[in-house]
Amino acid sequence: KQEVTQIPAALSVPEGENLVLNCSFTDSAIYNLQWFRQDPGKGLTSLLLIQSSQREQTSGRLNASLDKSSGRSTLYIAASQPGDSATYLCAVGNNNDMRFGAGTRLTVKP
Amino acid sequence: GAVVSQHPSWVICKSGTSVKIECRSLDFQATTMFWYRQFPKQSLMLMATSNEGSKATYEQGVEKDKFLINHASLTLSTLTVTSAHPEDSSFYICSAPTGAGGANVLTFGAGSRLTVL
Repeated sequence: KQEVTQIPAALSVPEGENLVLNCSFTDSAIYNLQWFRQDPGKGLTSLLLIQSSQREQTSGRLNASLDKSSGRSTLYIAASQPGDSATYLCAVGNNNDMRFGAGTRLTVKP
Repeated sequence: GAVVSQHPSWVICKSGTSVKIECRSLDFQATTMFWYRQFPKQSLMLMATSNEGSKATYEQGVEKDKFLINHASLTLSTLTVTSAHPEDSSFYICSAPTGAGGANVLTFGAGSRLTVL
């Protein structure tokens, strides 16, 4: 059974800092990996999707990498802003469903 | 792009009542939909896989008689929380495979927040 772990569980940084969120998974036979953002009391916003054949995806200040063989993905956020404060979820796709990590709660202080 | 619509977005009910949550795929057909549950400060957990025209598949530990799933058409799946109790208060979210950008890409609804008094 796929298990997804996210480290750290919470992170607080000053505005402008670059940061990295980590995600690890136990079964490397994945179809894709997706990073989501969730604001308090809200649904999910998809940030980046990496197919199993890809190694990274970039969108604006966000860059996600995937190392399938080692079961790891990172989400890099450049020049963080207070508006980036949210919970970031990593989800791994296997056989048409997805397994989620517990998330990293990010706070960016002005 | 593909959109998954959930209704209601939030609901408050009395203990013992049943609540129905709808998940609709707009502009595309979904033979399969997934239902997740999220308790406060926890991650989303897959509850069940809804299959059009057949019985849903439930994850271990999820009571199928408690959480009734009906996937009556290619665009609609419903989750009914029967005889709801306060411990059922949670955020419920559905998703459907869209195939956009490649196989096995899931699009999520906005979620439904259930509060049982």
